[in-house]
Amino acid sequence: GAVVSQHPSWVICKSGTSVKIECRSLDFQATTMFWYRQFPKQSLMLMATSNEGSKATYEQGVEKDKFLINHASLTLSTLTVTSAHPEDSSFYICSARVLYGTERNNEQFFGPGTRLTVL
Amino acid sequence: QKEVEQDPGPLSVPEGAIVSLNCTYSNSAFQYFMWYRQYSRKGPELLMYTYSSGNKEDGRFTAQVDKSSKYISLFIRDSQPSDSATYLCAMSAPNTGNQFYFGTGTSLTVIP
Repeated sequence: GAVVSQHPSWVICKSGTSVKIECRSLDFQATTMFWYRQFPKQSLMLMATSNEGSKATYEQGVEKDKFLINHASLTLSTLTVTSAHPEDSSFYICSARVLYGTERNNEQFFGPGTRLTVL
Repeated sequence: QKEVEQDPGPLSVPEGAIVSLNCTYSNSAFQYFMWYRQYSRKGPELLMYTYSSGNKEDGRFTAQVDKSSKYISLFIRDSQPSDSATYLCAMSAPNTGNQFYFGTGTSLTVIP
C-alpha cells in the first residue's frame, strides 16, 4: 500500500515552454502533498506544501508564479513549471501524507521523481 | 547550523559488513524519525520509521534514536551489494505542518 506515482518520469523541453508534472496517490487519500527539488548529490529541498482544495504554501525563495501547484483532489496534485529555463533543470519529487493514522499519521510516501531537462 | 547533519560519505564496505549510518539534529521538538533509501535517479523509499526514542528492528535493519544526545542511527547487518544507495535521514516535529527536515544523505557502496 501507500504507492505514489509521478508522470512523466522524465521530460526534455525547450527554454520558455511550460511543463506539467502529475503526482498521484494510488491507493490512499492524501490531504497534503509535498513538492521537493533535488540537485545531483544533494538532499531534497522542500519547495511547497499542497493542501487539497486550498492554495499551496511555498517555501522561502520559491517563486509561486513560476512553480504553479494545483491540488484538485485527494489523490492528485500537479506542479507546472512555467517558462522553464535551463536553471530549472532538476529532479522533482512529490510526496503524499497519509490521511488517517495514529502515530504513523506523519508518514510521507514519495513518488519516483521526474527528471526535467530544459534545453 | 543546519537542523539535521549527516555525513555525506561516500562510504564503501565489503559485502557482509555491518554498516552504521548516523545523523545528528538540533531541534529537541523532533518526534518522528525516518530513514529513506534512494537509488540513483529514483524517489526515496521509506526504510524505517520511529516515533520518539528507542530501537526498532526490521530484518537486517535497525534504527536507533537517542533523543538525549539528539542522535539517530541506522544499522545494516550482513550488507549486500543491493544495499548500495544513498541513505537519507529525515525528522519532523508535531504541529509543524508535517515539514520534514532531511539530512544531505550518505552514499553507500557495498562491494561484492
